[in-house]
Amino acid sequence: DGGITQSPKYLFRKEGQNVTLSCEQNLNHDAMYWYRQDPGQGLRLIYYSQIVNDFQKGDIAEGYSVSREKKESFPLTVTSAQKNPTAFYLCASSMGVRLAGAPSSYNEQFFGPGTRLTVL
Amino acid sequence: GQQLNQSPQSMFIQEGEDVSMNCTSSSIFNTWLWYKQDPGEGPVLLIALYKAGELTSNGRLTAQFGITRKDSFLNISASIPSDVGIYFCAGLNTGTASKLTFGTGTRLQVTL
Repeated sequence: DGGITQSPKYLFRKEGQNVTLSCEQNLNHDAMYWYRQDPGQGLRLIYYSQIVNDFQKGDIAEGYSVSREKKESFPLTVTSAQKNPTAFYLCASSMGVRLAGAPSSYNEQFFGPGTRLTVL
Repeated sequence: GQQLNQSPQSMFIQEGEDVSMNCTSSSIFNTWLWYKQDPGEGPVLLIALYKAGELTSNGRLTAQFGITRKDSFLNISASIPSDVGIYFCAGLNTGTASKLTFGTGTRLQVTL
């Protein structure tokens, strides 16, 4: 089945520890994204990547880091510098818009099931 | 970063009723997307709109891309219990590297 997987579903960490969240897609999408969701709120963009070996900061990148060494993988590291790391983390992908004349549907983002991180 | 305003924030309706919600922005978008999120899950794309004034349906769902390009509307007809969840709008300008701006969400609860 094609889709986006995130693991684990639930993650617990002690304060001060770095933790890496996994995101894998087999949709052959160029672009991948990480969002954070807090209770009762919308989604806020952390980082995004339009192509392998390239990524850009989103609106709330402080305290996070990413890598994009493979097209299908976009792991997110929550570092000890992130002041309030407890949240629901969502990964998404889209076909991307690098090609001139690409259909508008290439912008549609599809989400994984999410990872709930709790820092104790 | 900007978040879009969605209203209402929450609504309780009876099964069989129609539902309307909207999303407004201070800036123009050239694409509007509507998602539904169940508790503890990722959002699922319901409808995508690409042209001002466009009206698109997906089963009992109908969405419209506002003429001003600063708003969008979602209607659900004859609601059923599985419509429960949070509905998010998202706006996109293709000139901003595919970055979506999300609404604050409308929580829908359906009573029998």
